[in-house]
Amino acid sequence: DIQMTQSPSSLSASVGDRVTITCRASQGIRNSLAWYQQKPGKAPKLLLLDTSRLQTGVPSRFSGSGSGTDYTLTISSLQPEDFATYYCQQYYSTSITFGQGTRLEIK
Amino acid sequence: VQLVESGGVVVQPGGSLRLSCAASGFTFDDFSMHWVRQAPGKGLEWVSLIAWDGGKSYYADSVRGRFTISRDNSKNSLFLQMNSLRSEDSALYYCGRAPHITIPYVIDVWGQGTTVTVSS
Repeated sequence: DIQMTQSPSSLSASVGDRVTITCRASQGIRNSLAWYQQKPGKAPKLLLLDTSRLQTGVPSRFSGSGSGTDYTLTISSLQPEDFATYYCQQYYSTSITFGQGTRLEIK
Repeated sequence: VQLVESGGVVVQPGGSLRLSCAASGFTFDDFSMHWVRQAPGKGLEWVSLIAWDGGKSYYADSVRGRFTISRDNSKNSLFLQMNSLRSEDSALYYCGRAPHITIPYVIDVWGQGTTVTVSS
């Protein structure tokens, strides 16, 4: 299986901050990467697919980039509703795998 | 668009269980479907995927040979047959829909989950 490693595992930030979360794959995944947001007690929400394609309805402050094995999710200006846990997911392999998650907390 | 899971209960190790997911608000047989699980306080673990027509299915290594995904397009329903259950299978199980027939490997619609507890 392709292992997905997110960093950091947790992050404290303030409203208005620019935040970047990194996801590293154990092998190249050719941009087959999605990002999800999950709030406590709720199901995950798809934010981006194909590395950088914003899902319909997701605010433009969310963006994604990367290639090969290294990918990033950037939130340009944190809003109160963005404090949540974020997961990356690779689908280059049909044995789909998620990263372990990054918990974004209010500073 | 809605997905509603059911069937989660407490079951003994080695036991079996069948989860169901009822879909509504969209043309069910146009979309691939997934099961994803989340153990208490842990991250997301993808479990299985089935193509729109049931013709192909894929599994995580951790469940392959023990779990079987299936669907009944005439009843807009997705299923997960779980056999030889282990304590590490205890989790909230989500049903999920892929966003398009050409994009089968991500999940854009999620249910609220059903809880499976494997314990003696």
